[in-house]
Amino acid sequence: AQSVTQPDIHITVSEGASLELRCNYSYGATPYLFWYVQSPGQGLQLLLKYFSGDTLVQGIKGFEAEFKRSQSSFNLRKPSVHWSDAAEYFCAVGGHGNKLVFGAGTILRVKS
Amino acid sequence: NAGVTQTPKFQVLKTGQSMTLQCAQDMNHEYMSWYRQDPGMGLRLIHYSVGAGITDQGEVPNGYNVSRSTTEDFPLRLLSAAPSQTSVYFCASSATERYYEQYFGPGTRLTVT
Repeated sequence: AQSVTQPDIHITVSEGASLELRCNYSYGATPYLFWYVQSPGQGLQLLLKYFSGDTLVQGIKGFEAEFKRSQSSFNLRKPSVHWSDAAEYFCAVGGHGNKLVFGAGTILRVKS
Repeated sequence: NAGVTQTPKFQVLKTGQSMTLQCAQDMNHEYMSWYRQDPGMGLRLIHYSVGAGITDQGEVPNGYNVSRSTTEDFPLRLLSAAPSQTSVYFCASSATERYYEQYFGPGTRLTVT
């Protein structure tokens, strides 16, 4: 069965610093991978997706993610974090039956 | 477009009570789903539907019922609430061919005492 691991529960970065959120997946076939963001008190919003092809994908709000098959990873990055990026971030894998399996989430805090 | 709407926003139940969480979408999406979100566990799929009259179980279906009589509505029923069902519940919808691009409602925070 597919699964997603996000090793970091909380991450704190300074405004303007770079960001990398880790995601590891387990899936028997070529995975469909996604990152969602949840702002406080809100539902989730899709940031970016990977299906195939170029392993570096661009998303909204200046985020990007890189798929590394050899490491079963799909880490999310942003070169310069803004205070408005403070949120919870979820990695997800698209599995059988058109279902999404989510990781436990990483809470990002941004300090000024 | 209102998107995905959920009611109520907050609810407190006593053990054994029943209730229905409402979910509606106005995007003509075929695919709708219910998740629960618990600290440290991410979102877990409860039930989903790929169209009117078609529902299926997700990862954690026990204690919950759903039905889909129209494309727009996908209510979630708790028949006999238990403290373990204290959670935040999210409804989501998407076009079936883009099931991964799910539009989420604002959530319902449920407390069962």
